[in-house]
Amino acid sequence: GESVGLHLPTLSVQEGDNSIINCAYSNSASDYFIWYKQESGKGPQFIIDIRSNMDKRQGQRVTVLLNKTVKHLSLQIAATQPGDSAVYFCAEIYSGGYQKVTFGTGTKLQVIP
Amino acid sequence: DGGITQSPKYLFRKEGQNVTLSCEQNLNHDAMYWYRQDPGQGLRLIYYSQIVNDFQKGDIAEGYSVSREKKESFPLTVTSAQKNPTAFYLCASKPGTGIRQPQHFGDGTRLSIL
Repeated sequence: GESVGLHLPTLSVQEGDNSIINCAYSNSASDYFIWYKQESGKGPQFIIDIRSNMDKRQGQRVTVLLNKTVKHLSLQIAATQPGDSAVYFCAEIYSGGYQKVTFGTGTKLQVIP
Repeated sequence: DGGITQSPKYLFRKEGQNVTLSCEQNLNHDAMYWYRQDPGQGLRLIYYSQIVNDFQKGDIAEGYSVSREKKESFPLTVTSAQKNPTAFYLCASKPGTGIRQPQHFGDGTRLSIL
């Protein structure tokens, strides 16, 4: 929503530069991870996912890196564009039970034209 | 185009009033979810349903109720027992319980107290 970006860490990036957004996850048993993008007043949109048996996955202009040793996930956006301005958050999924999903609080990406 | 439709986009609740948020999907998904989003916090699960006529409480179900009478619909009622209902509410769905399936989200309903 409009206020979801308040109180969040902000990353300001010049248009055309690469962006790196980080996420620390909590459960070492989590086996699936997702990055979402949320624009102001909208719902989250899926960007890219990765399974725990991988350490890197690439999409169009985006790359996700997974470091299970330190429980860290990162999203790299190449050649950042003004349309990339949004809140980005990660989600970790543990497949036991009903597949509990835990969402991060998010990082606000501001692209400077 | 297939998707998830939430309505209304903005909703106001008076003291002691129950309000119902609509969520409809035409993706033929079995599983549906309701989340609450507050500033500076991650999404918190209110209720979820993995199949028609069945639903389970999430982490913050108190003061909320749901129904799942049809596959495409999962309305959420915010009751007067929910003392702090002001938030952005998000509905999501996914095809089933397979692990490698991200949830798809609607565009949310913002609920405020009058």
